[in-house]
Amino acid sequence: NAGVTQTPKFRVLKTGQSMTLLCAQDMNHEYMYWYRQDPGMGLRLIHYSVGEGTTAKGEVPDGYNVSRLKKQNFLLGLESAAPSQTSVYFCASSYEEIEFFGPGTRLTVL
Amino acid sequence: ELKVEQNPLFLSMQEGKNYTIYCNYSTTSDRLYWYRQDPGKSLESLFVLLSNGAVKQEGRLMASLDTKARLSTLHITAAVHDLSATYFCAGGGGTGTASKLTFGTGTRLQVTL
Repeated sequence: NAGVTQTPKFRVLKTGQSMTLLCAQDMNHEYMYWYRQDPGMGLRLIHYSVGEGTTAKGEVPDGYNVSRLKKQNFLLGLESAAPSQTSVYFCASSYEEIEFFGPGTRLTVL
Repeated sequence: ELKVEQNPLFLSMQEGKNYTIYCNYSTTSDRLYWYRQDPGKSLESLFVLLSNGAVKQEGRLMASLDTKARLSTLHITAAVHDLSATYFCAGGGGTGTASKLTFGTGTRLQVTL
């Protein structure tokens, strides 16, 4: 039981490049989330999903898109990366009141 | 819109001492969470508080919730070096809904010998 996994662990992009972050969970959870964490701050919700085929905006959705084509996967896309998107990205899934977090992806945009 | 404030932001304490981290939130929140984060690591769930007056304890940590005051506390008893980490509180969620957590800025705890 791997829990929540994220791919890749690290990535460096140039401004304007695109990329997709993959989150996978093997716990059959309905709810999945993408957060970003900037230095000295708590996590902020980017987008979330309440089930396969659904997505919704969180607190800071601009510049990101998401898709949930399969229940176990939640993808976060950056179409045209900007330096302001340099951050650590955490995926999470939840069941009842417990959220399970992935290990994070450290993204640097130059 | 839920806002969550923690204080202090940084706490240096000696081993063996007691201290409390405070978490205030702005509007009704169905749940209050406490997480621990070690440097460069992910978040580890410590407590989930669901109702007014809830108190939970694990080892040297005890969390409580006062929904009327919109205040949660994380009390550290007889601190040890292993408790050095950043602690976050977060509010949000509800039965049968997505959590959509709103986090405080965190309290960096440093326990010194």
